[in-house]
Amino acid sequence: DQQVKQNSPSLSVQEGRISILNCDYTNSMFDYFLWYKKYPAEGPTFLISISSIKDKNEDGRFTVFLNKSAKHLSLHIVPSQPGDSAVYFCAATGTSGSRLTFGEGTQLTVNP
Amino acid sequence: DTAVSQTPKYLVTQMGNDKSIKCEQNLGHDTMYWYKQDSKKFLKIMFSYNNKELIINETVPNRFSPKSPDKAHLNLHINSLELGDSAVYFCASKDRGLEQYFGPGTRLTVT
Repeated sequence: DQQVKQNSPSLSVQEGRISILNCDYTNSMFDYFLWYKKYPAEGPTFLISISSIKDKNEDGRFTVFLNKSAKHLSLHIVPSQPGDSAVYFCAATGTSGSRLTFGEGTQLTVNP
Repeated sequence: DTAVSQTPKYLVTQMGNDKSIKCEQNLGHDTMYWYKQDSKKFLKIMFSYNNKELIINETVPNRFSPKSPDKAHLNLHINSLELGDSAVYFCASKDRGLEQYFGPGTRLTVT
Protein backbone atom coordinates (compact mmCIF):
# COMPACT_ATOMS: atom_id res chain seq x y z
CA ASP A 1 0.00 0.00 0.00
CA GLN A 2 1.87 3.01 -1.32
CA GLN A 3 0.74 6.03 0.68
CA VAL A 4 2.96 8.57 -1.09
CA LYS A 5 3.22 8.49 -4.86
CA GLN A 6 5.31 10.36 -7.37
CA ASN A 7 3.87 9.31 -10.68
CA SER A 8 6.55 10.83 -12.88
CA PRO A 9 9.78 8.86 -12.72
CA SER A 10 11.59 11.54 -14.70
CA LEU A 11 11.34 15.16 -15.80
CA SER A 12 13.54 17.11 -18.19
CA VAL A 13 13.54 20.92 -18.40
CA GLN A 14 15.66 23.65 -19.91
CA GLU A 15 17.89 25.80 -17.77
CA GLY A 16 16.08 28.94 -16.65
CA ARG A 17 12.60 27.42 -16.99
CA ILE A 18 10.34 26.21 -14.22
CA SER A 19 10.50 22.64 -12.91
CA ILE A 20 7.32 21.27 -11.36
CA LEU A 21 7.51 18.00 -9.44
CA ASN A 22 4.31 16.41 -8.23
CA CYS A 23 3.39 14.18 -5.32
CA ASP A 24 0.12 12.58 -4.21
CA TYR A 25 -0.72 10.97 -0.89
CA THR A 26 -3.56 8.87 0.43
CA ASN A 27 -3.22 9.01 4.22
CA SER A 28 -5.33 11.81 5.78
CA MET A 29 -3.27 11.56 8.96
CA PHE A 30 -0.22 13.09 7.33
CA ASP A 31 0.44 16.54 8.78
CA TYR A 32 3.79 17.51 7.34
CA PHE A 33 5.35 17.09 3.96
CA LEU A 34 8.98 17.32 3.02
CA TRP A 35 11.03 17.34 -0.15
CA TYR A 36 14.46 15.79 -0.31
CA LYS A 37 17.04 16.02 -3.06
CA LYS A 38 19.46 13.21 -3.80
CA TYR A 39 22.59 13.20 -5.93
CA PRO A 40 24.11 9.88 -7.08
CA ALA A 41 26.17 8.08 -4.44
CA GLU A 42 25.02 10.51 -1.74
CA GLY A 43 22.29 10.45 0.87
CA PRO A 44 19.09 12.48 0.50
CA THR A 45 19.34 16.07 1.72
CA PHE A 46 16.42 18.04 3.09
CA LEU A 47 15.17 20.78 0.80
CA ILE A 48 11.91 22.28 2.02
CA SER A 49 8.84 21.34 4.03
CA ILE A 50 5.25 22.41 4.53
CA SER A 51 2.73 21.96 7.29
CA SER A 52 -0.80 20.87 6.48
CA ILE A 53 -2.13 24.16 7.89
CA LYS A 54 -0.42 26.06 5.07
CA ASP A 55 -0.87 25.91 1.34
CA LYS A 56 2.45 27.41 0.31
CA ASN A 57 6.00 27.63 1.57
CA GLU A 58 8.80 29.40 -0.24
CA ASP A 59 12.57 29.29 0.14
CA GLY A 60 14.55 31.07 -2.53
CA ARG A 61 14.03 29.34 -5.85
CA PHE A 62 12.01 26.55 -4.25
CA THR A 63 8.29 26.73 -3.48
CA VAL A 64 6.10 23.93 -2.24
CA PHE A 65 2.34 24.05 -2.75
CA LEU A 66 -0.10 21.90 -0.83
CA ASN A 67 -3.68 21.13 -1.89
CA LYS A 68 -5.01 19.27 1.10
CA SER A 69 -8.43 18.53 -0.36
CA ALA A 70 -6.83 16.90 -3.38
CA LYS A 71 -4.10 15.28 -1.27
CA HIS A 72 -1.57 16.70 -3.67
CA LEU A 73 1.60 18.70 -3.34
CA SER A 74 4.07 20.07 -5.80
CA LEU A 75 7.57 21.48 -5.74
CA HIS A 76 8.34 24.38 -8.05
CA ILE A 77 11.90 25.29 -8.89
CA VAL A 78 12.38 28.54 -10.72
CA PRO A 79 14.62 29.28 -12.43
CA SER A 80 15.96 25.76 -12.85
CA GLN A 81 19.71 25.32 -12.93
CA PRO A 82 21.84 22.39 -14.16
CA GLY A 83 22.98 21.83 -10.56
CA ASP A 84 19.37 21.04 -9.67
CA SER A 85 19.63 17.80 -11.65
CA ALA A 86 19.02 15.12 -9.04
CA VAL A 87 16.36 12.72 -7.77
CA TYR A 88 13.67 14.49 -5.75
CA PHE A 89 11.79 12.57 -3.08
CA CYS A 90 8.53 13.64 -1.55
CA ALA A 91 7.98 12.47 2.04
CA ALA A 92 5.14 12.73 4.53
CA THR A 93 4.76 12.29 8.26
CA GLY A 94 2.22 12.60 11.03
CA THR A 95 2.27 15.04 13.94
CA SER A 96 4.91 13.14 15.88
CA GLY A 97 7.31 13.28 12.96
CA SER A 98 8.80 9.98 14.04
CA ARG A 99 8.37 8.23 10.72
CA LEU A 100 8.78 9.51 7.15
CA THR A 101 6.97 7.79 4.30
CA PHE A 102 8.70 8.42 1.00
CA GLY A 103 7.55 8.48 -2.58
CA GLU A 104 9.58 6.64 -5.20
CA GLY A 105 11.34 9.76 -6.44
CA THR A 106 11.47 11.79 -9.66
CA GLN A 107 14.70 12.20 -11.60
CA LEU A 108 14.99 15.84 -12.64
CA THR A 109 17.38 16.71 -15.47
CA VAL A 110 18.02 20.38 -16.19
CA ASN A 111 19.60 20.86 -19.59
CA PRO A 112 21.97 23.78 -20.18
CA ASP B 1 33.33 16.78 10.13
CA THR B 2 30.62 14.78 8.33
CA ALA B 3 27.31 15.03 10.18
CA VAL B 4 26.11 11.46 9.55
CA SER B 5 28.71 8.95 8.46
CA GLN B 6 28.46 5.31 7.48
CA THR B 7 31.04 2.61 7.02
CA PRO B 8 31.68 0.93 4.75
CA LYS B 9 30.44 2.78 1.66
CA TYR B 10 30.54 -0.38 -0.43
CA LEU B 11 30.21 -3.95 0.75
CA VAL B 12 30.38 -7.01 -1.49
CA THR B 13 29.89 -10.36 0.15
CA GLN B 14 28.65 -13.87 -0.50
CA MET B 15 25.35 -15.42 0.43
CA GLY B 16 25.28 -16.84 3.91
CA ASN B 17 27.83 -14.45 5.36
CA ASP B 18 27.24 -12.14 8.33
CA LYS B 19 28.09 -8.45 7.97
CA SER B 20 27.72 -5.18 9.85
CA ILE B 21 27.24 -1.60 8.76
CA LYS B 22 28.14 1.20 11.15
CA CYS B 23 26.60 4.62 11.50
CA GLU B 24 27.68 7.60 13.56
CA GLN B 25 26.18 11.08 13.87
CA ASN B 26 27.86 14.08 15.45
CA LEU B 27 24.78 16.29 15.44
CA GLY B 28 23.74 15.51 18.99
CA HIS B 29 20.45 14.08 17.75
CA ASP B 30 18.41 11.73 19.89
CA THR B 31 16.79 9.67 17.13
CA MET B 32 18.45 7.51 14.52
CA TYR B 33 17.10 5.42 11.66
CA TRP B 34 17.96 2.73 9.17
CA TYR B 35 16.38 2.82 5.71
CA LYS B 36 16.65 0.42 2.81
CA GLN B 37 16.54 1.62 -0.79
CA ASP B 38 15.80 -1.33 -3.02
CA SER B 39 16.19 -1.77 -6.76
CA LYS B 40 12.92 0.08 -7.33
CA LYS B 41 14.43 3.07 -5.54
CA PHE B 42 11.90 3.14 -2.70
CA LEU B 43 13.28 4.39 0.60
CA LYS B 44 11.71 2.24 3.29
CA ILE B 45 12.19 2.60 7.00
CA MET B 46 13.54 -0.44 8.79
CA PHE B 47 14.30 0.65 12.36
CA SER B 48 14.37 3.71 14.55
CA TYR B 49 16.06 4.27 17.90
CA ASN B 50 15.51 7.11 20.32
CA ASN B 51 18.15 7.52 23.02
CA LYS B 52 19.28 3.93 22.49
CA GLU B 53 15.73 2.60 22.73
CA LEU B 54 14.09 0.82 19.79
CA ILE B 55 10.92 2.70 18.84
CA ILE B 56 10.20 1.56 15.27
CA ASN B 57 10.70 -1.98 14.04
CA GLU B 58 9.14 -2.51 10.64
CA THR B 59 8.44 -5.89 9.11
CA VAL B 60 12.05 -6.82 8.62
CA PRO B 61 13.47 -10.36 8.73
CA ASN B 62 14.97 -11.08 12.13
CA ARG B 63 18.28 -11.69 10.37
CA PHE B 64 18.57 -7.90 10.64
CA SER B 65 19.49 -6.69 14.10
CA PRO B 66 20.16 -3.06 14.96
CA LYS B 67 22.32 -2.09 17.90
CA SER B 68 22.74 1.30 19.48
CA PRO B 69 25.67 1.40 21.91
CA ASP B 70 25.04 5.10 22.54
CA LYS B 71 22.81 7.76 21.05
CA ALA B 72 25.45 8.81 18.51
CA HIS B 73 25.78 5.34 17.00
CA LEU B 74 23.39 2.92 15.35
CA ASN B 75 24.83 -0.19 13.77
CA LEU B 76 23.08 -2.75 11.59
CA HIS B 77 24.08 -6.38 11.72
CA ILE B 78 22.81 -8.78 9.07
CA ASN B 79 23.05 -12.55 9.49
CA SER B 80 22.93 -15.18 6.76
CA LEU B 81 22.88 -12.70 3.91
CA GLU B 82 20.59 -13.42 0.96
CA LEU B 83 20.58 -12.15 -2.61
CA GLY B 84 17.49 -10.06 -1.87
CA ASP B 85 19.39 -8.12 0.77
CA SER B 86 21.32 -6.35 -1.98
CA ALA B 87 20.36 -2.70 -1.70
CA VAL B 88 21.60 0.67 -0.53
CA TYR B 89 21.21 1.14 3.22
CA PHE B 90 20.92 4.66 4.61
CA CYS B 91 21.32 5.78 8.16
CA ALA B 92 19.61 8.99 9.28
CA SER B 93 19.19 11.05 12.42
CA LYS B 94 16.95 13.81 13.67
CA ASP B 95 16.34 15.96 16.72
CA ARG B 96 12.96 17.35 17.79
CA GLY B 97 12.33 18.83 14.33
CA LEU B 98 10.91 16.94 11.39
CA GLU B 99 13.89 16.89 9.07
CA GLN B 100 16.00 13.79 9.01
CA TYR B 101 19.67 14.01 8.08
CA PHE B 102 20.95 11.15 6.00
CA GLY B 103 24.30 9.47 5.71
CA PRO B 104 25.88 8.79 2.31
CA GLY B 105 24.60 5.23 2.14
CA THR B 106 26.16 1.78 2.06
CA ARG B 107 25.76 -0.19 -1.14
CA LEU B 108 25.51 -3.86 -0.20
CA THR B 109 25.92 -6.44 -2.95
CA VAL B 110 25.31 -10.07 -2.11
CA THR B 111 26.64 -12.57 -4.65
